[in-house]
Amino acid sequence: GDSVTQMEGPVTLSEEAFLTINCTYTATGYPSLFWYVQYPGEGLQLLLKATKADDKGSNKGFEATYRKETTSFHLEKGSVQVSDSAVYFCALSVGGSSNQFYFGTGTSLTVIP
Amino acid sequence: GAVVSQHPSRVICKSGTSVKIECRSLDFQATTMFWYRQFPKQSLMLMATSNEGSKATYEQGVEKDKFLINHASLTLSTLTVTSAHPEDSSFYICSAQGGGSWEQYFGPGTRLTVT
Repeated sequence: GDSVTQMEGPVTLSEEAFLTINCTYTATGYPSLFWYVQYPGEGLQLLLKATKADDKGSNKGFEATYRKETTSFHLEKGSVQVSDSAVYFCALSVGGSSNQFYFGTGTSLTVIP
Repeated sequence: GAVVSQHPSRVICKSGTSVKIECRSLDFQATTMFWYRQFPKQSLMLMATSNEGSKATYEQGVEKDKFLINHASLTLSTLTVTSAHPEDSSFYICSAQGGGSWEQYFGPGTRLTVT
């Protein structure tokens, strides 16, 4: 079945450090891949997405490339800020009328000054 | 962009009472809405999928008589937690799909605390 495996946290980084959060997926079809961010006490916000192989999603300095050969969609940011502290969820969707989303377990990121 | 709202954002109720949570698509018609539950420090668990004007499809293990879902219009779905118990305390998130796109747009969530 379709699933997402995400790097476990929590992750603690100093400000301006490089961030990588690993995400790999299993899908029977041709999924779209997403990263969502959840700030404390809030709902999910779409951070970035990629809908086909080799696409790169980017937003707010975050990037992720859809790698079909390694079934991966790792999230990266070159220089994190304190305001990036949140929980990050990798997700996939095979689209269509059912369009069920499959979420990873989430990775908590804390950035310290 | 597509906006989904939820009301209330937080609710505290006594054990045995029922609570209704609303999910609205503000600027598009949502043919399908999804309800998720999130336990502390865990991922989202899909509870049910509802299509406008038809009965919701519940995921395995979700009690349909306890979590009543109504999707009466293209912009509104409601989740009613009946006879709530402390173990129902959780963060409930809805998402909506429609407007000619298969993407899901998530609401901000509702924090339910049952005392």
